[in-house]
Amino acid sequence: QSALTQPPSASGSPGQSVTISCTGTSSDVGDYNYVSWYQQHPGKAPKLMIYEVTKRPSGVPDRFSGSKSGNTASLTVSGLQADDEADYYCSSYAGSNNLGFGGGTKLTVL
Amino acid sequence: QITLKESGPTLVKPTQTLTLTCTFSGFSLSSSGVGVGWIRQPPGKALEWLALIYWDDDKRYSPSLKSRLTITKDTSKNQVVLTMTNMDPVDTATYYCAHIPLVVVAATYWGQGTLVTVSS
Repeated sequence: QSALTQPPSASGSPGQSVTISCTGTSSDVGDYNYVSWYQQHPGKAPKLMIYEVTKRPSGVPDRFSGSKSGNTASLTVSGLQADDEADYYCSSYAGSNNLGFGGGTKLTVL
Repeated sequence: QITLKESGPTLVKPTQTLTLTCTFSGFSLSSSGVGVGWIRQPPGKALEWLALIYWDDDKRYSPSLKSRLTITKDTSKNQVVLTMTNMDPVDTATYYCAHIPLVVVAATYWGQGTLVTVSS
């Protein structure tokens, strides 16, 4: 059982926006601004897309954005493109240098 | 350019001990704030954090697997080693190592992963 809760699936048409939620507790997401998001294409290693809730690593398009409210973090992908179709995982620091991952969300571009 | 690569057996028998090595380049594990962690992913399932070691030899483990895990580093060889005892078929997974700086607590760079199958 994953520490963080994500919807198993999400979808949107090209050009649309989609938001994926990640619900934790007051001991992880709610207490720390160390939420990160990863994109994983089939057969590939995950790729960091968002860190510290809202920050994008160099090279990640600004179509990807992150936010947090209370115990829930969110990843929004705007201007959906075919290559955005992938699995997305959230992660949060949970104190004592422990990390937790969400169960993953399969994003389908219709 | 930061790169990481996992190596180790592809098949282990139940009850055996798994030893995986992460060999990296582009950073030093003796530099302040640097960390390397291990994350696994069973086939078709979610990511699971296992262990993390920092430049100062501080070590952190997943609470659920702590009794079975040991993480060590060899700074001179740019390597981090993970051992997991008493392997079980449910431990079948792709094992990744990743660069995890303390300042962001996120896996900024990942290895390609290595699939470990536990079967007799």
